[in-house]
Amino acid sequence: ETGVTQTPRHLVMGMTNKKSLKCEQHLGHNAMYWYKQSAKKPLELMFVYSLEERVENNSVPSRFSPECPNSSHLFLHLHTLQPEDSALYLCASSQEIGRGLGNEQFFGPGTRLTVL
Amino acid sequence: RKEVEQDPGPFNVPEGATVAFNCTYSNSASQSFFWYRQDCRKEPKLLMSVYSSGNEDGRFTAQLNRASQYISLLIRDSKLSDSATYLCVVSSSGGYNKLIFGAGTRLAVHP
Repeated sequence: ETGVTQTPRHLVMGMTNKKSLKCEQHLGHNAMYWYKQSAKKPLELMFVYSLEERVENNSVPSRFSPECPNSSHLFLHLHTLQPEDSALYLCASSQEIGRGLGNEQFFGPGTRLTVL
Repeated sequence: RKEVEQDPGPFNVPEGATVAFNCTYSNSASQSFFWYRQDCRKEPKLLMSVYSSGNEDGRFTAQLNRASQYISLLIRDSKLSDSATYLCVVSSSGGYNKLIFGAGTRLAVHP
């Protein structure tokens, strides 16, 4: 495996279900990110992790719960979601948490989530 | 005002055409700038970083005007495979790598 992988690629769940999204990066990066992309809207940053520590929670509802057990893996635990949470959820990684060129973010293929 | 603004398009151009996309950003403290490309139902992929002096990669040229807070992307000799949505991306002025994405400009290249 190379780059950033995400599973599952598609997920349909009811509002009472609990599910988890998984992301794994094979790039040796130290920072990982969760984004949400809704139809016809820009990508929205949800969470940022640097060396397994969360450095940003971008006002995300508590029904989304991230977990970063190590610098290569990132999870997003979902429970009691709403239909408006249906979107493409993208994971990304970058070498470090700092800004600047040479620290570009690379994205996984995303999980397309539908909440019924 | 949106932090990053782009013309949504779509831009419909014939093969071989030259097309230019513009982007403006609101935070004058932004330091890093990128163009990403996103194909339909796929993830964004880095197309090129944008340097202060401007930079070119094959048929693609990116320019940055800090005074006007304006970024551009020029595509020469358009190919059918260039059809995609082009995302203008700007780093925030905060202490870490927070990227602000524009909504994207859609390009459709036709034969």
